[in-house]
Amino acid sequence: KAGVTQTPRYLIKTRGQQVTLSCSPISGHRSVSWYQQTPGQGLQFLFEYFSETQRNKGNFPGRFSGRQFSNSRSEMNVSTLELGDSALYLCASSYESGNTIYFGEGSWLTVV
Amino acid sequence: TQLLEQSPQFLSIQEGENLTVYCNSSSVFSSLQWYRQEPGEGPVLLVTVVTGGEVKKLKRLTFQFGDARKDSSLHITAAQPGDTGLYLCAGEGDSSYKLIFGSGTRLLVRP
Repeated sequence: KAGVTQTPRYLIKTRGQQVTLSCSPISGHRSVSWYQQTPGQGLQFLFEYFSETQRNKGNFPGRFSGRQFSNSRSEMNVSTLELGDSALYLCASSYESGNTIYFGEGSWLTVV
Repeated sequence: TQLLEQSPQFLSIQEGENLTVYCNSSSVFSSLQWYRQEPGEGPVLLVTVVTGGEVKKLKRLTFQFGDARKDSSLHITAAQPGDTGLYLCAGEGDSSYKLIFGSGTRLLVRP
């Protein structure tokens, strides 16, 4: 059974640009959540989607957005990138909330 | 705001030594999870503790949930270089849809 797949794995963007990250959950999983991991702040919750609906959102500015498609695949977008957005962005999936979540390997974003 | 504090932040020990990592909060959590993350990879779930006072063992790793469900500990016996990694505790936030993570304990086990 394939794990959570995130693309791209590594990318470099310039300040002011926007970026879209993609996440394919484990087959059959309907919940997808996103986290940002930085050395200073650790792992912080961004948002969670279930059946194309955002059920919860963390304390991030509106530049961070996401969506989920009917096949449960999810994307997150960050607009007007800032240097502080450099981080590892992790996607996790589970069958339903409260179940074990499985993380992908993450997308490393560097903003220069 | 629910917060989880982990200690120590860094730990460098010799192979064969024992160690304990702590995860503390002033808030009650319905459950706590422990993850290990290796460089270049996402966190991998080690265990979930649900009941106050619960103790779970996973080979050389022993996990305990505090009676009041506000704290947890991870004890590793006879650490091995393969135990090296970032250990994270996490609890469900104000909804079951998000996890609150501790700041992590970076463990290095020297051969």
